[in-house]
Amino acid sequence: TAGITQAPTSQILAAGRSMTLRCTQDMRHNAMYWYRQDLGLGLRLIHYSNTAGTTGKGEVPDGYSVSRANTDDFPLTLASAVPSQTSVYFCASSDSGEAEQFFGPGTRLTVL
Amino acid sequence: GQNIDQPTEMTATEGAIVQINCTYQTSGFNGLFWYQQHAGEAPTFLSYNVLDGLEEKGRFSSFLSRSKGYSYLLLKELQMKDSASYLCAVRDSNYQLIWGAGTKLIIKP
Repeated sequence: TAGITQAPTSQILAAGRSMTLRCTQDMRHNAMYWYRQDLGLGLRLIHYSNTAGTTGKGEVPDGYSVSRANTDDFPLTLASAVPSQTSVYFCASSDSGEAEQFFGPGTRLTVL
Repeated sequence: GQNIDQPTEMTATEGAIVQINCTYQTSGFNGLFWYQQHAGEAPTFLSYNVLDGLEEKGRFSSFLSRSKGYSYLLLKELQMKDSASYLCAVRDSNYQLIWGAGTKLIIKP
């Protein structure tokens, strides 16, 4: 079982360009999450989805959008990247909002 | 505001015991999680506390006091592979996880 996969592993992006970070899980979990992790800070929630067809904003949603067309996939899109979006992005999933979260391997994004 | 505090870094000796503390101030409380994160890798789940007291799982134990807004993770018989960051997270009234910045644990032979 793959669990959660993320793509790409890393990316260098020019400021102003758009990009979609992909996340797929095969555990049939209802809830999915996108976090960013920056040095010296805790994981910060960007967007989440409690079930397919629904999404919600987290702590730092500005500049990001998500969709949840089905249970397995939860892509994160940066419409016009800025250098402050340089970070490591983790996708996570859980069976419900009450269960522990399982994390993907992360995408390291550098915006220049 | 919501706040999770943990020490930035700790050092311990192989074979010894170490306690990593976490204090929190959140809007509501629906459980506290500990995760382990090795450098360059994803966080992995270690333990969960929702009631006061100690939860033991092998060499790892986690304690919670809700009245004090306090938890600790206890690691026994330390091994070199335990060198990692340990993340404390609290689930708030909206059932979202609020994360501490993590404690980097360095194990010396």
